Amino acid sequence: DQQVKQNSPSLSVQEGRISILNCDYTNSMFDYFLWYKKYPAEGPTFLISISSIKDKNEDGRFTVFLNKSAKHLSLHIVPSQPGDSAVYFCAASGGSNFGNEKLTFGTGTRLTIIP
Amino acid sequence: DVKVTQSSRYLVKRTGEKVFLECVQDMDHENMFWYRQDPGLGLRLIYFSYDVKMKEKGDIPEGYSVSREKKERFSLILESASTNQTSMYLCASSTGDSPLHFGNGTRLTVT
Repeated sequence: DQQVKQNSPSLSVQEGRISILNCDYTNSMFDYFLWYKKYPAEGPTFLISISSIKDKNEDGRFTVFLNKSAKHLSLHIVPSQPGDSAVYFCAASGGSNFGNEKLTFGTGTRLTIIP
Repeated sequence: DVKVTQSSRYLVKRTGEKVFLECVQDMDHENMFWYRQDPGLGLRLIYFSYDVKMKEKGDIPEGYSVSREKKERFSLILESASTNQTSMYLCASSTGDSPLHFGNGTRLTVT
């Protein structure tokens, strides 16, 4: 049973435009959400997170939006750059002390930025 | 900067072999995790540990065991490797208020 779902396996976006990656979850006990980025032959690296008490968190070109009633979050990247080409995983945790919690990951979306 | 080191990048083993995947972190993190990554399935948690000699089952522990004799080292053991354990294995570590830091992964092929 996939509790965290990323329904788009791949996405292609023109350089300079906005990239929007989506993630849905089913477990209402999830309290903290994270996005990880993964390049080939490397481990995932943390990108940005959001607590369920917020609906938006911004860090430079990256913004994460959370809609708790819809159990949906999205990652916006603007403007998109070639170095953003990677696989993006969303992940969810049952607590804000997320370093101590198990993370449940989505299946990933491969983002390709077209120069 | 946190460094999580997985001893092998690529491994090829035969069915039935006992396989050890080693992971070492250098930041004195209490928590360590083993995930596997498969196409279309994302990252799935196998085992994790909050302290030395402690271990907890993740979502898919069957066919695996772990060992944490020292704080910095977390080993994943495949008691009798099978072809369905061919995968990318990712080790991670964290402390209470930090996100997971991952190693670069070990791609295991069981033939």
